[in-house]
Amino acid sequence: DGGITQSPKYLFRKEGQNVTLSCEQNLNHDAMYWYRQDPGQGLRLIYYSQIVNDFQKGDIAEGYSVSREKKESFPLTVTSAQKNPTAFYLCASSIQQGGGRDTQYFGPGTRLTVL
Amino acid sequence: EDKVVQSPLSLVVHEGDTVTLNCSYEVTNFRSLLWYKQEKKAPTFLFMLTSSGIEKKSGRLSSILDKKELFSILNITATQTGDSAVYLCAVEALIHNNAGNMLTFGGGTRLMVKP
Repeated sequence: DGGITQSPKYLFRKEGQNVTLSCEQNLNHDAMYWYRQDPGQGLRLIYYSQIVNDFQKGDIAEGYSVSREKKESFPLTVTSAQKNPTAFYLCASSIQQGGGRDTQYFGPGTRLTVL
Repeated sequence: EDKVVQSPLSLVVHEGDTVTLNCSYEVTNFRSLLWYKQEKKAPTFLFMLTSSGIEKKSGRLSSILDKKELFSILNITATQTGDSAVYLCAVEALIHNNAGNMLTFGGGTRLMVKP
């Protein structure tokens, strides 16, 4: 089946630890995105990547890092520098047609809780 | 800076009622407006609107876009408890240099349908 997978579903970490969230897609999409959602708020963009080996900061990139070594994978690392990391993290992907009307498809999300 | 504002923030209705959710936006290089339904996990895609005045319909849900007044509405008729969710509006805009598209999300409307 084609789709986007995120793992783990739930993640707990202690303060001061880095943690990496996985996002994989087999839709052959060029673009991938990471969003964060906090209670009562809309999605906020952390990082996005339009092509392999390239990525750009979104609106709230501080305290996060990403890599895009393969088209299918876009892992997000939440570093200890992130002041308030407890949130629901969503990964998405889309075909990037440069001016086309792309729909983003979302993964199931990872809920990160910092203890 | 691109902006998407949804109203109301939350809404409580009874089964059978009709609801209207609003989304207004200010973006540069508008391409499309999308509606998503988010229950406990990832948002699911509902509609993509690109042209003014053309209603999109799916069962009891419908949506329309007004590109002159920069808003969209999402209507749900004969609401059911299963419609309870957060409804997200997102606007797709062209990135500078025609490098692709980006979504800006509104804060969402939380709908609760009581039996």
